[in-house]
Amino acid sequence: DIVVTQSPLSLPVTPGEPASMSCRSSQSLLHSDGKNYLDWYMQKPGQSPQLLIYFGSNRASGVPDRFSGGGSGTDFTLKISRVEAEDVGVYYCMQTLRTPLTFGGGTKVEIK
Amino acid sequence: EAQLVESGGGLVQPGGSLRLSCAASGFTVRSSYMAWVRQAPGKGLDWVSVIYTDGSTYYGHSVRGRFIISRDTSTNTVYLQMDSLRLEDTAVYYCARADNNLRGYDSWGQGTLVTVSS
Repeated sequence: DIVVTQSPLSLPVTPGEPASMSCRSSQSLLHSDGKNYLDWYMQKPGQSPQLLIYFGSNRASGVPDRFSGGGSGTDFTLKISRVEAEDVGVYYCMQTLRTPLTFGGGTKVEIK
Repeated sequence: EAQLVESGGGLVQPGGSLRLSCAASGFTVRSSYMAWVRQAPGKGLDWVSVIYTDGSTYYGHSVRGRFIISRDTSTNTVYLQMDSLRLEDTAVYYCARADNNLRGYDSWGQGTLVTVSS
């Protein structure tokens, strides 16, 4: 199975400041079609998860452009250029290259 | 707009069964990847099962042999039959959809709570 590891576990942030979190996989998520099969999701308190980024770096429809995804192979990063109060929640990465699909343990973003 | 509505959760004894339903609208389940993802109380997301556009099905290790995912294209509904339920299956179960190009699971239901307890 592909193991996905996220860091940090907790990320205190200041509104207006940038934030960054990491996702690493035990195997390369780069397919022969050139796509990285890695998604990012955000789960706000009491809500269902919502898609932010797919194929490692493609912003989903309706997602603010302050969110950006990068990386390739086994190392990926989600960046928030300027954190807003509504960005509080838990962020998960998930690999969709191979079943069983696997999630990282999550990074909890909190306001300082 | 794609919408997913789960139902069928509830309280069940260990060893019992439940069938969850996920009613889809705004798209067809036949042309989508449909997954079940669960979240135990206070824990992270745990992928359970997926049915591909070609009808092939896959399961997480902890549910393989006990759960079955299926779809009814006439009613545009996806199901999760859960048998031999265990205490550790207690969770909110979400239904989620990805398009046929697997551009992320872009629609999620509100979730249905399954509690396994004696």
